Amino acid sequence: GAGVSQTPSNKVTEKGKYVELRCDPISGHTALYWYRQSLGQGPEFLIYFQGTGAADDSGLPNDRFFAVRPEGSVSTLKIQRTERGDSAVYLCASSVEVGTEAFFGQGTRLTVV
Amino acid sequence: EDQVTQSPEALRLQEGESSSLNCSYTVSGLRGLFWYRQDPGKGPEFLFTLYSAGEEKEKERLKATLTKKESFLHITAPKPEDSATYLCAVQPYSGTYKYIFGTGTRLKVLA
Repeated sequence: GAGVSQTPSNKVTEKGKYVELRCDPISGHTALYWYRQSLGQGPEFLIYFQGTGAADDSGLPNDRFFAVRPEGSVSTLKIQRTERGDSAVYLCASSVEVGTEAFFGQGTRLTVV
Repeated sequence: EDQVTQSPEALRLQEGESSSLNCSYTVSGLRGLFWYRQDPGKGPEFLFTLYSAGEEKEKERLKATLTKKESFLHITAPKPEDSATYLCAVQPYSGTYKYIFGTGTRLKVLA
């Protein structure tokens, strides 16, 4: 596709449930980033991939959060045992290579009730 | 600790009233500085990349500049459609290529 695609655009889940958020990066982009954004705040780093491997996962808040990129393209962010504090917009971005500008998707708004 | 501070938090301008947004950064070394525009309910939209002090980039009514400690986004004769949140991000020389974002400046341009 022409841009970064994230699905779903909105997700409402109950506390304690498991969710998966999907990101389709721009074709040919080797780097893929996940960020989380709360209302009125800037994006907060979670994890980034170079190819298939997680190059830096230091932003994942705890072990309930996990992300994969098995074939170096599509990525999935997985959240176990969701909590109300996980409610936020989850943003995905990709770049041609690390060190260049990243292009963001429209985000997935996650609401935990 | 690497840090990005944007000011002001919010800015209201009349149409045609030029102004500047500030992004101050504290990093061990700067790999690159990035400006983004974000509309409500949307993801950030890339505007500019700056890599070294003295560099300038322009696009329509926007001009970004970079010094060793801060960057400015100058908006000349803004229009209502320039209303958005403007985000600044840095990529430091620290062994990782993550972007560190500021909290943004919410710009409102009144007709």
